[in-house]
Amino acid sequence: EDQVTQSPEALRLQEGESSSLNCSYTVSGLRGLFWYRQDPGKGPEFLFTLYSAGEEKEKERLKATLTKKESFLHITAPKPEDSATYLCAVQANFGNEKLTFGTGTRLTIIP
Amino acid sequence: DVKVTQSSRYLVKRTGEKVFLECVQDMDHENMFWYRQDPGLGLRLIYFSYDVKMKEKGDIPEGYSVSREKKERFSLILESASTNQTSMYLCASSLRTGRDYTFGSGTRLTVV
Repeated sequence: EDQVTQSPEALRLQEGESSSLNCSYTVSGLRGLFWYRQDPGKGPEFLFTLYSAGEEKEKERLKATLTKKESFLHITAPKPEDSATYLCAVQANFGNEKLTFGTGTRLTIIP
Repeated sequence: DVKVTQSSRYLVKRTGEKVFLECVQDMDHENMFWYRQDPGLGLRLIYFSYDVKMKEKGDIPEGYSVSREKKERFSLILESASTNQTSMYLCASSLRTGRDYTFGSGTRLTVV
C-alpha cells in the first residue's frame, strides 16, 4: 500500500527564516510526486510535480527536490503570504491514477 | 482562468436527503476524481472516472455513487446523507497520463 508521511505537522517561522518541509513516501513504482499549497477553506493549488530521483524544481521562494525515499520543499526567505498548508502526494505507476496524500504541514510565517 | 468548477462552496443538508455535488472542468481532461478531506486523515479518493460513462471505486466508495454523462462533468451523489459524510469534498481532473492534476475550490458539506 502506498504511504506518504509529512513532517513536521506544523511549523512557525519568522519572516525571512529559511527552512525545509519533509515528505517521506513508499510507493509501488513512482510515476510522480506532487506538491500542493492549500489555503484555509480552499482547494489545493498545484505547485510542482517531480518524476525521478535527483530532479529539482523552483518557483519563486520554493524549491522542491526528490530522492528515492523522500522529497523536500525548501522555503527561502519566506514572507507572510507563504503561510498555508503544504500537501505532498504520490502517484503510482500502476493503478487508477489516484494521488495518495500526506496529511500536510501547516506553515505559519510571522511578520 | 477557472479550470475546475464546483457548483457550491457550502451546503447544509438533512440526514436521509439525497445530495448532488456537481463538478465541471474546461480543460478537456479524460480523468476526473472525487476526494474528501478530513482533519488528520488527509485527502481520500471516493470515485474516479477515466471516460464518459466509466467509473471506478476509490478507497472509500461506501454511501456514494457517481455519474459522468459528459466528458466535462462529473457528479457525486450521496444516496442518503448521514452525519459521518460531513466533510470537504474536492473534485479534480487530469490528463489520461495523470499529468496536469488540477483541483476545484471544494464544497464544504454539513449534514445535520
